[in-house]
Amino acid sequence: DAGVTQSPTHLIKTRGQQVTLRCSPKSGHDTVSWYQQALGQGPQFIFQYYEEEERQRGNFPDRFSGHQFPNYSSELNVNALLLGDSALYLCASSSGQGAGAYTEAFFGQGTRLTVV
Amino acid sequence: GEDVEQSLFLSVREGDSSVINCTYTDSSSTYLYWYKQEPGAGLQLLTYIFSNMDMKQDQRLTVLLNKKDKHLSLRIADTQTGDSAIYFCAESNSNSGYALNFGKGTSLLVTP
Repeated sequence: DAGVTQSPTHLIKTRGQQVTLRCSPKSGHDTVSWYQQALGQGPQFIFQYYEEEERQRGNFPDRFSGHQFPNYSSELNVNALLLGDSALYLCASSSGQGAGAYTEAFFGQGTRLTVV
Repeated sequence: GEDVEQSLFLSVREGDSSVINCTYTDSSSTYLYWYKQEPGAGLQLLTYIFSNMDMKQDQRLTVLLNKKDKHLSLRIADTQTGDSAIYFCAESNSNSGYALNFGKGTSLLVTP
């Protein structure tokens, strides 16, 4: 079992560009959540996808959008990149909704995004 | 969102016990978690406690919850150098759809 896999591992983008990050959930999981972790900070919840729909959203602007595919994998898209978007982006997978979607969540290694 | 506060740094000697503390402000917090993050790695769930419990033990880990004071602690017995990492406290509740709300993390350094 490969666990949660994220790609790419590192990425450098220029301010104003757009970026797409990818996440494949752990086998058997159908829910994907995305978090942003700035340097020296705790992760902040961006949004959660279940059954190909955004189910929960944190306090992030609509420059941050996502998608979930029928095979449960997910993408995080960020438009009009700002320097402040530089962070580690973590994907977590779990099964189902509600509290169980977080008590049994597995995190990927993350994608380190640097905006210059 | 509501605040989750942790001390930023803790240093202990190998073999001693480590106690990492966390306070939170949301009285509706239902689950409280401890995660571990090693350099260059994602987050590893160590343990979680439901808000109607006051203690949970799992091998070397003991979690204590004081719901009245909104205080959570993680005790690591017989701390090893491999325990050096950043430890995050997090809470979740139904108001936010159980999304995890993390503290800034406590960096634990274990010295030989």
